[in-house]
Amino acid sequence: SQKIEQNSEALNIQEGKTATLTCNYTNYSPAYLQWYRQDPGRGPVFLLLIRENEKEKRKERLKVTFDTTLKQSLFHITASQPADSATYLCALRNSGNTPLVFGKGTRLSVIA
Amino acid sequence: GAGVSQTPSNKVTEKGKYVELRCDPISGHTALYWYRQSLGQGPEFLIYFQGTGAADDSGLPNDRFFAVRPEGSVSTLKIQRTERGDSAVYLCASSPGQGMNYGYTFGSGTRLTVV
Repeated sequence: SQKIEQNSEALNIQEGKTATLTCNYTNYSPAYLQWYRQDPGRGPVFLLLIRENEKEKRKERLKVTFDTTLKQSLFHITASQPADSATYLCALRNSGNTPLVFGKGTRLSVIA
Repeated sequence: GAGVSQTPSNKVTEKGKYVELRCDPISGHTALYWYRQSLGQGPEFLIYFQGTGAADDSGLPNDRFFAVRPEGSVSTLKIQRTERGDSAVYLCASSPGQGMNYGYTFGSGTRLTVV
């Protein structure tokens, strides 16, 4: 069956450290993968998109990698801050005609 | 508008009643998506529209759920004979098109509680 697994339900890290979140998938052949941030009581907010032919994408303190052989994406937040505390969702699409499918998310807490 | 607007933000209804949830997407966005999210879960796809037509309704759980987008902008999700298991946050999102370059812009959701 098709699955998207975000390995940790919750991750606690110290302020200033790098947070690394994992997204693994099975029985998908995603053309690309997206990461979203969700705060309590709000809808998800789009952060980054990475295509299957891209190994790495960066945006400010964020970095995403995409390994189609391992069927895995890693999401990194460097120099983490308490304001980065939120749930981070991984989502993927097989093609432009299919909707995004989301993982369950990882709740990140950055402790001052 | 500036963002995706969903109304109402909260809806409490009795089991068996009919409800309508409204989504006002970003102006000019042709693709519109409905998801629902239960506590501790990721958003679960329900239906998406490209323009006025439902391009994929494979996520609708049963025939009690129906959605329309008659003029290609505002969409309404309709749930008949509500059940307690329908309680969730219903999220709407829009994007400029259905192509792969676009992230989705989500509204804040409608929290539906069936009692």
